[in-house]
Amino acid sequence: GQQVMQIPQYQHVQEGEDFTTYCNSSTTLSNIQWYKQRPGGHPVFLIQLVKSGEVKKQKRLTFQFGEAKKNSSLHITATQTTDVGTYFCAGPRAGGTSYGKLTFGQGTILTVHP
Amino acid sequence: GAVVSQHPSWVICKSGTSVKIECRSLDFQATTMFWYRQFPKQSLMLMATSNEGSKATYEQGVEKDKFLINHASLTLSTLTVTSAHPEDSSFYICSAIRVVNEQFFGPGTRLTVL
Repeated sequence: GQQVMQIPQYQHVQEGEDFTTYCNSSTTLSNIQWYKQRPGGHPVFLIQLVKSGEVKKQKRLTFQFGEAKKNSSLHITATQTTDVGTYFCAGPRAGGTSYGKLTFGQGTILTVHP
Repeated sequence: GAVVSQHPSWVICKSGTSVKIECRSLDFQATTMFWYRQFPKQSLMLMATSNEGSKATYEQGVEKDKFLINHASLTLSTLTVTSAHPEDSSFYICSAIRVVNEQFFGPGTRLTVL
């Protein structure tokens, strides 16, 4: 079945350093979504990428969708303590009975040391 | 943005009892809702898809008789964990689809079974 792999599992950075998490799917995706989950909280939608090679920015966050639509990355420039949390990528499941279903990556837990 | 609520936010129960968790879409109608469970520092695992007006569809390995799902209206889905045991202790999160590919998560319910 479809697998979505995410690396690294953990990342510890000093405040001000950059951070990147990578997401790879075993199948081609129609789109990829990114979520952030703060400690003790629930996933919050960050962005969706649809086009091959698409790059989107949200302030210090840069999201990229690979040309083959099987991989994606999230890069945070100059991390802040407010960036702490787990970042998940998620891709829609293929198949006619899979409307809306998402396959989540394992997540990258980001810790930012002040 | 769209709001999804869950009740209760946390519950502690004795082994053998049943627990009902409610998921509501507050400002939109959701024909489809999803139920996930999440163990500490792990990803979200889809348990089932809740469809208004029809039976829920369960993911492989999820016991439908143990996790009863009822989608009574376009704004409410309930998950009942029947005869709960300590291994059912987890963070249960629902999500609702407003439009295709736009999924909003509830705040989650932390279940502890003693």
